[in-house]
Amino acid sequence: AQTVTQSQPEMSVQEAETVTLSCTYDTSESDYYLFWYKQPPSRQMILVIRQEAYKQQNATENRFSVNFQKAAKSFSLKISDSQLGDAAMYFCAYRSARETSGSRLTFGEGTQLTVNP
Amino acid sequence: KAGVTQTPRYLIKTRGQQVTLSCSPISGHRSVSWYQQTPGQGLQFLFEYFSETQRNKGNFPGRFSGRQFSNSRSEMNVSTLELGDSALYLCASRGTGKQETQYFGPGTRLLVL
Repeated sequence: AQTVTQSQPEMSVQEAETVTLSCTYDTSESDYYLFWYKQPPSRQMILVIRQEAYKQQNATENRFSVNFQKAAKSFSLKISDSQLGDAAMYFCAYRSARETSGSRLTFGEGTQLTVNP
Repeated sequence: KAGVTQTPRYLIKTRGQQVTLSCSPISGHRSVSWYQQTPGQGLQFLFEYFSETQRNKGNFPGRFSGRQFSNSRSEMNVSTLELGDSALYLCASRGTGKQETQYFGPGTRLLVL
């Protein structure tokens, strides 16, 4: 079974600064997808960024980028120019690419990000 | 396109009762997954339905069940409610392609007294 670990329960950053959230995972599969979701106080889960394991290039979405290290099974999220609206719980998630696994996501424990003005 | 919708948004029940939650996926999405979120256990996968068939199931007791209709709407039922069933229940839908991403609804917050 796959597991996802987020070792930082809480992180804080100053507005306009950069912060990196860590995520490691364990799997014996070679084809899979990794995601970062954001859950603000409204509790709505919002997709931040995704990475396909077969792609060597790290994904980027505006101020959000990842550092995907497949051999190390590490998938960190970098938020640049942090904004107050970035304050939320961030979840790292894994999905197998096997058809039999369907849409099942395995989540980490989450990292609560505080952005200080 | 409209997003994933869930009803009701809030629910209060007492122990022993049963509850049914509803999820309407994004138009065209045939996969609907359910997750339970609690402070103690985090986010846990309940089950997934695809084209009216359960495709995957998490490690939950048989009191938790679901179904999917021909229009892809899904319902989740919990019978004989326990205090520990108090949680945020999230529904997510996904398109058919292998690379499609899941999108979540706003959740239903269930409180069992």
